[in-house]
Amino acid sequence: GESVGLHLPTLSVQEGDNSIINCAYSNSASDYFIWYKQESGKGPQFIIDIRSNMDKRQGQRVTVLLNKTVKHLSLQIAATQPGDSAVYFCAENSESSGGSNYKLTFGKGTLLTVNP
Amino acid sequence: KAGVTQTPRYLIKTRGQQVTLSCSPISGHRSVSWYQQTPGQGLQFLFEYFSETQRNKGNFPGRFSGRQFSNSRSEMNVSTLELGDSALYLCASTVGGNYGYTFGSGTRLTVV
Repeated sequence: GESVGLHLPTLSVQEGDNSIINCAYSNSASDYFIWYKQESGKGPQFIIDIRSNMDKRQGQRVTVLLNKTVKHLSLQIAATQPGDSAVYFCAENSESSGGSNYKLTFGKGTLLTVNP
Repeated sequence: KAGVTQTPRYLIKTRGQQVTLSCSPISGHRSVSWYQQTPGQGLQFLFEYFSETQRNKGNFPGRFSGRQFSNSRSEMNVSTLELGDSALYLCASTVGGNYGYTFGSGTRLTVV
């Protein structure tokens, strides 16, 4: 079935290190992927997105890589800061046959802890 | 510009009661989606509205319903509340295309 899953439930890094959060998806028809950050008591906050016609997209301190061959998505955070501590979700959006399927399918999330 | 606004932020209800949650999307956004977030199931899609029409619905029982008004504001209703309905209910809005979903802070519903 369709699913988006994360490889690691928790990730602990030292401040200043680079972080890599991984995500696997199973729906090869997915054409849009988003990474969200969720802090305690808040809703998911958009970080970066990528469409299936791209392999890489960069933002401020963040990079998303998409490998369609193995259906893998990753979020790289450079120079991780304590303020980056949160749960990170990947999400996919796919089109069903016969029309658009306007919903996001989320992975279960990875808790990133940044140690000072 | 203002973000997605959800009210109320917190609710405590008794089993069997019903509840209505409200979502005001970003100005100009015509699509509103609702999600349920629980520790066990994560974020699950409830339904999506565009121009007052439900375009998509998730796998939730009929006790969960929603609607959208002409000003794009949306409400969701849960009837005959069960303990398992305790969750964070999140609303997301977008202009209408397949991109740019912005979430609100959610409504924390506790059923006792």
